[in-house]
Amino acid sequence: DAGITQSPRYKITETGRQVTLMCHQTWSHSYMFWYRQDLGHGLRLIYYSAAADITDKGEVPDGYVVSRSKTENFPLTLESATRSQTSVYFCASLSRGLYEQYFGPGTRLTVT
Amino acid sequence: AQKITQTQPGMFVQEKEAVTLDCTYDTSDQSYGLFWYKQPSSGEMIFLIYQGSYDEQNATEGRYSLNFQKARKSANLVISASQLGDSAMYFCAMRDASNSGYSTLTFGKGTMLLVSP
Repeated sequence: DAGITQSPRYKITETGRQVTLMCHQTWSHSYMFWYRQDLGHGLRLIYYSAAADITDKGEVPDGYVVSRSKTENFPLTLESATRSQTSVYFCASLSRGLYEQYFGPGTRLTVT
Repeated sequence: AQKITQTQPGMFVQEKEAVTLDCTYDTSDQSYGLFWYKQPSSGEMIFLIYQGSYDEQNATEGRYSLNFQKARKSANLVISASQLGDSAMYFCAMRDASNSGYSTLTFGKGTMLLVSP
């Protein structure tokens, strides 16, 4: 499928478990981003990446790990999930030289 | 650090009327960009409109226009002739220039718009 996809779309996990959210884009965009959306906070940046093997922390990186071994993939891992990480997670990508970020459909994560 | 403020948690408008959603921003950068995104109940983020800080004309995209007042640091979204399908959450966002030399987005908390028949 063309565009940007996220998997899974819905996930329920238990406190303390490791969980990985996947993000895949087919445009070969250089830049990719992870945001979380919580009521009353809008979207907040977790991590971002300029290219394969280049990642940077955003506003709320604690408890998350990212990697980018291939340009098209940008997985987000919660190493030990906590209830405060219950949220909707959005992945986005951006082409070099442009300004519009393209968002994936989101993953709704519930940590019990 | 950049900051986006949306002071209207919710707005109501009747179909076919115009509505203005407020957005103010704070930045020390000279070069920046302002965005509006729409998030319907289905959850996806839909790009609506973009305004660059050096753009002299207000941006327009169909029924959407951005009322950019640089001195006041405001970037209000105007929706003309509201439709029922405009009911959604609307986010204002600013393009940051990160230390890495490319842009990330800072979002406001959003305004929920409800359009009634």
